[in-house]
Amino acid sequence: GAGVSQSPSNKVTEKGKDVELRCDPISGHTALYWYRQSLGQGLEFLIYFQGNSAPDKSGLPSDRFSAERTGGSVSTLTIQRTQQEDSAVYLCASSLGYRSYEQYFGPGTRLTVT
Amino acid sequence: GQQLNQSPQSMFIQEGEDVSMNCTSSSIFNTWLWYKQDPGEGPVLLIALYKAGELTSNGRLTAQFGTTRKDSFLNISASIPSDVGIYFCAGPGRNTPLVFGKGTRLSVIA
Repeated sequence: GAGVSQSPSNKVTEKGKDVELRCDPISGHTALYWYRQSLGQGLEFLIYFQGNSAPDKSGLPSDRFSAERTGGSVSTLTIQRTQQEDSAVYLCASSLGYRSYEQYFGPGTRLTVT
Repeated sequence: GQQLNQSPQSMFIQEGEDVSMNCTSSSIFNTWLWYKQDPGEGPVLLIALYKAGELTSNGRLTAQFGTTRKDSFLNISASIPSDVGIYFCAGPGRNTPLVFGKGTRLSVIA
């Protein structure tokens, strides 16, 4: 079946502009996660959604970052007033439920802020 | 906070050699996951371990859940060029759904 998809695959933006990154999880997965991966680094947790519950935003690095999930499916990560340090690969993952630790990742969106 | 330490950070091996890497923590985990990330791709789940002492294989890959519950090991037998990539261990976090190690970068010399 279809895996997690993300768009765009690459995004170049100017400092100060807003960007939106999209994630389409695996059908039937109720939990959705966003991570950030800087060059050569591990994965930094940003936010997760479980069903219709309020999201856990504890990993968001600043109030310029926000995310929403519509209809329990597609999610959008928004970064406002982008800064050069926001340049990274943004990865989305989904799982059957929050307590299912087996997360399945999309290919990521590479964001470059110039 | 919780940290997963992966060793080695990187390794170069000849094609056909066996590979061993490990992941250790100062705290107990009840689940260990191993992922592989190819360049330009997202991590792919290789093996999940749920029981101390458990040994699980996936093709040429074998992973073990350490008996102390503070470590896990991944072995790759008879490496091939497509084994190149970064291998991450992960486990349930106290404050995050999963906590990841920084990865072991594997390079295979044909």
